[in-house]
Order: sequence, then C-alpha cells, then structure tokens
Amino acid sequence: SQQGEEDPQALSIQEGENATMNCSYKTSINNLQWYRQNSGRGLVHLILIRSNEREKHSGRLRVTLDTSKKSSSLLITASRAADTASYFCATAAFSGAGSYQLTFGKGTKLSVIP
Amino acid sequence: DSGVTQTPKHLITATGQRVTLRCSPRSGDLSVYWYQQSLDQGLQFLIQYYNGEERAKGNILERFSAQQFPDLHSELNLSSLELGDSALYFCASSAVARYRGGNTIYFGEGSWLTVV
Repeated sequence: SQQGEEDPQALSIQEGENATMNCSYKTSINNLQWYRQNSGRGLVHLILIRSNEREKHSGRLRVTLDTSKKSSSLLITASRAADTASYFCATAAFSGAGSYQLTFGKGTKLSVIP
Repeated sequence: DSGVTQTPKHLITATGQRVTLRCSPRSGDLSVYWYQQSLDQGLQFLIQYYNGEERAKGNILERFSAQQFPDLHSELNLSSLELGDSALYFCASSAVARYRGGNTIYFGEGSWLTVV
C-alpha cells in the first residue's frame, strides 16, 4: 500500500524554471528519500532527509521535511530537459525484528520543455 | 551506477512458467530488498533479507519466494506465472544503519518480466 502521496501527479514546465513537487505521508518515519526514474528505467537515489532534519540541499535540489505536517517537498531549480522523469518520495521506517523498508508514493511525472 | 546488479534485464515467459531473478547487492551491503513496479499497483515492497535472514514481508504472493545466500546475493523466484505478474522487479540494497536515521536504499536497474 502507498504511504506517500505526491502532488501534483504531473507537472510540465519550461526549461530554466523551477519545479516543486510535494509529498505527504501518514505514519511516523525515520527518513524520507526521493528518487528519480526515467521512463522504464532504474530508480536513481536523489537525496535522503532524516526525521530530525528540516532541509537538505544537493546541487540543484532542495528538500524540506515537516514532520508535524507529515509532508516533504522537492525543489529542482533551473530545470533542464534532462530532468524530465518521474519523481518518487519514499518513507523509510524501522520496525520490529530489524526490518527497514521504503514505502513509495505514486510519483510526479515531470516534463521539462526545451 | 548504483552498484546493485540485476539479471536478467528482460525476460519473456509463458503463463504457468517459473523464473528466477538474480541480484548482487552493493559491496558490503547486508540488506537486500525486492520491489515490484506495475502500472496499476505502483512500487510495492515484496520482501527484505538481512545477512541471509528474512526480515520483513510485504505484498509478496505465495507463488513468489526469495532467498539471500551466504555471499549476500539474492534470488527472487516467481512461479505459476500469470499475466498480471508482468512488471518491473527491482532489487535494492542498503548498509547496516548505524543510527536510527537509517541509510540510503540503492536500487538496481530492474528486471522487466513479461508474461504472455
């Protein structure tokens, strides 16, 4: 079952613009991870933000986490055509007997128009 | 390149058949995960192994089974295949988490399974 819900489901922007994707989740987490997937390809890890962190940056990516609202956002600045992909948020949590797993949202499909 | 290797990349098989998907985790990672991605169900967690032992089960069908070997590679066995099993199957791995914040989970390129 999906834990995260991304918003919007699809986003189309012009090259050079910023893209913001949001993710909401329902239960307690240890961290939240964002992934990119080009059409039919593998999941590429973008960034991990732990539950005690509020903001992280990596290159043109900025991720925020608000655990009180159970939400996260991914901002891609100065977008490029190569950023066209689906973006997924995934919440990670430890549970009994040492299990640790990700629960994914349905993803946001980003199209960057040259 | 995530360092997680999956084989085969693509396979086509008939209903009722059995297939085995193979995964080599990143060097040193003790945890291996299997996920299924389909159009209607999205990305679903199937099962996790840690150092050869099963640690968590998700939406894994009884027709599916997995194991992790002493060299840490893992196999996902899918049997009595149905058309609805057609999907992209991902293996992922992670290192031991040294603190409760947890670690990055790295994914392979996936194995495309088409059941005809």
